[in-house]
Amino acid sequence: GQNIDQPTEMTATEGAIVQINCTYQTSGFNGLFWYQQHAGEAPTFLSYNVLDGLEEKGRFSSFLSRSKGYSYLLLKELQMKDSASYLCAVRDSNYQLIWGAGTKLIIKP
Amino acid sequence: DVKVTQSSRYLVKRTGEKVFLECVQDMDHENMFWYRQDPGLGLRLIYFSYDVKMKEKGDIPEGYSVSREKKERFSLILESASTNQTSMYLCASSTGQGDNGELFFGEGSRLTVL
Repeated sequence: GQNIDQPTEMTATEGAIVQINCTYQTSGFNGLFWYQQHAGEAPTFLSYNVLDGLEEKGRFSSFLSRSKGYSYLLLKELQMKDSASYLCAVRDSNYQLIWGAGTKLIIKP
Repeated sequence: DVKVTQSSRYLVKRTGEKVFLECVQDMDHENMFWYRQDPGLGLRLIYFSYDVKMKEKGDIPEGYSVSREKKERFSLILESASTNQTSMYLCASSTGQGDNGELFFGEGSRLTVL
């Protein structure tokens, strides 16, 4: 079966760095997405990786290793507004998205 | 600003009632999707549509139907609501034409079936 694994919850301190991991086993691979979802709100797109390596976008970076079935989202200089759930999703060989259950990130002052 | 609008943020219905959830997007996107989101689970695809009057079953279509009569509107219908359909329903759209396929989501409709 197809599976996306990410930690259920993480806690970090304001101003620090946090890495949220995502491992996947899917039927084929056509890209990996990270979305952010604040409580009670719609998910919003953060990043897309289709080739191995690191993609940097301001305070957020996303890394992909296709051979290891692994990605991480790196958040630097954490702010209280970064408290949210972070959803990992992989597009399989049929171009369908397989979603992880999300990682709830709690930022403490 | 691009927008996906869902008609109702919160609904409370009784078992057996017919429920309509409406979704409208103003981005001229070809693709539209209905997901449900439950605690501890990833988003699960109910139905999707690649064009007007087209529909495809997702992973959990049982108990649901959809309608896409106009490009901008995608409706989810629960013919006879049941308590196990209590959930958050998310509509999304995407262009799907040579881009990364980023999804744009609506705010969600939280349905409670009593």
